[in-house]
Order: sequence, then C-alpha cells, then structure tokens
Amino acid sequence: RKEVEQDPGPFNVPEGATVAFNCTYSNSASQSFFWYRQDCRKEPKLLMSVYSSGNEDGRFTAQLNRASQYISLLIRDSKLSDSATYLCVVYRDSGYALNFGKGTSLLVTP
Amino acid sequence: GAGVSQSPRYKVAKRGQDVALRCDPISGHVSLFWYQQALGQGPEFLTYFQNEAQLDKSGLPSDRFFAERPEGSVSTLKIQRTQQEDSAVYLCASSPPQGPEQFFGPGTRLTVL
Repeated sequence: RKEVEQDPGPFNVPEGATVAFNCTYSNSASQSFFWYRQDCRKEPKLLMSVYSSGNEDGRFTAQLNRASQYISLLIRDSKLSDSATYLCVVYRDSGYALNFGKGTSLLVTP
Repeated sequence: GAGVSQSPRYKVAKRGQDVALRCDPISGHVSLFWYQQALGQGPEFLTYFQNEAQLDKSGLPSDRFFAERPEGSVSTLKIQRTQQEDSAVYLCASSPPQGPEQFFGPGTRLTVL
C-alpha cells in the first residue's frame, strides 16, 4: 500500500466552481504535509503547506485531519489556470525526503 | 535568482547504455534530492545529499544507479546498463538550510529503447 493515496481523477469542473481533493496517508507519525502543483510536463512546485489548524491562501484552503489521517485541498472560484495535477505530499520518516501521492488531475473548462 | 537546472533535458538511450544526468542546485542550498517520476505517477525518492555527503540512498532501485556530489554543489546521477523500466523523468530538487520547501528542476526525461 502506498504511503500517500489520492484519487487520480480527472476532475472536470466549469470556471467558477468549487472543487475539493482529499488524500490519505498511512504513517500516523507524519508531521509535515504539503500540496504541490504540477503542470503538464513541468516540475512540481509548492502550492501550500498544510497546518494542523488549517490554512488559507486566497482561493485555496488546506485542512489536516490527524485522527483520520487525511488532508484536503479546497479550491474556490476555479480559474482556467488552475488546470494542473495536484500532488499530496508528506514528509518521509527521515524528516527530509518527500512522499508524493500519484496526483489528482484537475481540468477547469470555460 | 537562477533556479535548479538539469541537463540534458531529454535523453534517449539504447538498452544497456550508461547515462549521466546532471543537476545544478540553487546556490547556497545544502540539501539536494533526486526523484524518479514514471508516467502517471508522483515522484519517488531516490537519494539525498547534505553538502557532499550522501545521507540516504534507500530509494535507488538497484546497484545500477549511482549518485555523487563531490564538491557539495553539482550532482550527477548515473545509471549503468540502462533497462526499459528506467524510462522516466528524473527530477532534482534542492532546499535551503532552513527548509522545508524543496525547489525542483525541470527534470531529465530519459527514454530507454
């Protein structure tokens, strides 16, 4: 079983819609969590860190549920430019390398 | 400033050939990572350097894979006797001393025929 599981999608949503992605992780001792964004044939880039209390950055909200070991990302008022793959990321036990999920593909349509 | 750079961007190798992939991290970043990303998958950790020391190579899939960072800056990932299953994008990332964000290079897309 992979340490980080995500629904690969694709999620096809119209502009302006709200969309949510979830991911689950297997290591209950994990301490650090992130969402990265990866455009087609490009490198992953950090979108936001995920804090225990939840955090918001503009149209993006990240939540962490430690009891259920899942992380969520909510995107409000979707833009065409939000079309990408969203990677759920958890620090490995080592505390430095990253464990990535397979990614969830989002396509925002006009 | 300049980001992480990798070369070559694309590499086609015949099965059995050796290849060398280069990574130039962001200046001042002591931590350097290599990941392998197969089509439709997330990146998988290969190895980690802190300066010139290779502290973790647990993700290297076989002894055909070898990485080095002799002067604590540029790193090379070498794959000997390439196999078709080695076809993937090889991503290099670096992070500053204070961490935790990792900055990725554009990757090298390796195709083994």
